[in-house]
Amino acid sequence: TQLLEQSPQFLSIQEGENLTVYCNSSSVFSSLQWYRQEPGEGPVLLVTVVTGGEVKKLKRLTFQFGDARKDSSLHITAAQPGDTGLYLCAGAIRDDKIIFGKGTRLHILP
Amino acid sequence: DTGVSQDPRHKITKRGQNVTFRCDPISEHNRLYWYRQTLGQGPEFLTYFQNEAQLEKSRLLSDRFSAERPKGSFSTLEIQRTEQGDSAMYLCASSADRPFVETQYFGPGTRLLVL
Repeated sequence: TQLLEQSPQFLSIQEGENLTVYCNSSSVFSSLQWYRQEPGEGPVLLVTVVTGGEVKKLKRLTFQFGDARKDSSLHITAAQPGDTGLYLCAGAIRDDKIIFGKGTRLHILP
Repeated sequence: DTGVSQDPRHKITKRGQNVTFRCDPISEHNRLYWYRQTLGQGPEFLTYFQNEAQLEKSRLLSDRFSAERPKGSFSTLEIQRTEQGDSAMYLCASSADRPFVETQYFGPGTRLLVL
């Protein structure tokens, strides 16, 4: 069974703090996506990472793909209430086989 | 708006009734996916199409579920004889061959409640 584990499951922090969430698997992925989902809406794509060791930045969000392409992290600097949501990672085993983690539910307190 | 659209956004039905959901993908995307998401879980794969061909179906997709994409554009997902366990958010996503076929763009979802 291919599993993609996200940690922590829940995170509640004060506005202005930094945080990191993780996505881990024993499987090697050809690519990995991060999404943010708000209640009652579909996931919205944040980034795709493809190369082992790759780092991508999106404003205050920094995404890293592990060297072995089995894991990834998302770091948020100076979190804001607008960052609140469910962060999902999705790994591509092959181009038509994508598995999702259960997500990290992030709540930023003003 | 050129994103993925889904209709209806919400559906309440009684157990035993049939329901049908529609998905319109991004126009140039040849792949279309259906997922189911329950509370506290990530999306679970149901099935996907490449153009009009249905290439893979999950074991989650029982005989009561059927999906079509007749002209390789929009898709429908039908659930027959609904059960309370079918209550979930049904998500549609589409992707293109380039730059990354694995990058899927999701619609807003159809939330189904079976009473």
